[in-house]
Amino acid sequence: DTGVSQDPRHKITKRGQNVTFRCDPISEHNRLYWYRQTLGQGPEFLTYFQNEAQLEKSRLLSDRFSAERPKGSFSTLEIQRTEQGDSAMYLCASSPPGNSNQPQHFGDGTRLSIL
Amino acid sequence: GQNIDQPTEMTATEGAIVQINCTYQTSGFNGLFWYQQHAGEAPTFLSYNVLDGLEEKGRFSSFLSRSKGYSYLLLKELQMKDSASYLCAVNLDSGYSTLTFGKGTMLLVSP
Repeated sequence: DTGVSQDPRHKITKRGQNVTFRCDPISEHNRLYWYRQTLGQGPEFLTYFQNEAQLEKSRLLSDRFSAERPKGSFSTLEIQRTEQGDSAMYLCASSPPGNSNQPQHFGDGTRLSIL
Repeated sequence: GQNIDQPTEMTATEGAIVQINCTYQTSGFNGLFWYQQHAGEAPTFLSYNVLDGLEEKGRFSSFLSRSKGYSYLLLKELQMKDSASYLCAVNLDSGYSTLTFGKGTMLLVSP
């Protein structure tokens, strides 16, 4: 079990630039989640995939955000025209098939800083 | 909206017992999770309750009362490495497994 892997660990970019993050879930996990976490807060749900299908999106996910999981394995989260308020830790999690209360396993996150 | 409340900070002494409370008022309920998160690291799963009662896992126990919208995480024989943020999270929907988190409780264990 290699765990959930996220890349990059840190990203610093100027306001207005586009950024893309990658998440590699645990190999046998078909469920994948993206969350955003700011300092002193708990993670906030962004979007959920089951295999390659994006089944749920939070209202936090504005039209500048897009996520994909084309082959049901790794996922990417893209933010276009970044804004100061996008600065946060972006966490990816995965869980195995089965009932909906399988524990989610989190990656170490990508910390995004917008200058 | 969904409301999940936890104390912001707690302090305790090495070797002691500490109880971290979580109350929730949510539109649905399909289980409550506790996660531990050290600074700069991923949240790691500690425990899960869906039925009323106590679940015990080594030094960690978690309790749930669905009628009261209340849970607690009990940590025994505290160690310095237990200094971390403890996150309470509710699964609102039985169809999907997305979690709604509280803000977390920062626990500081002192010698």
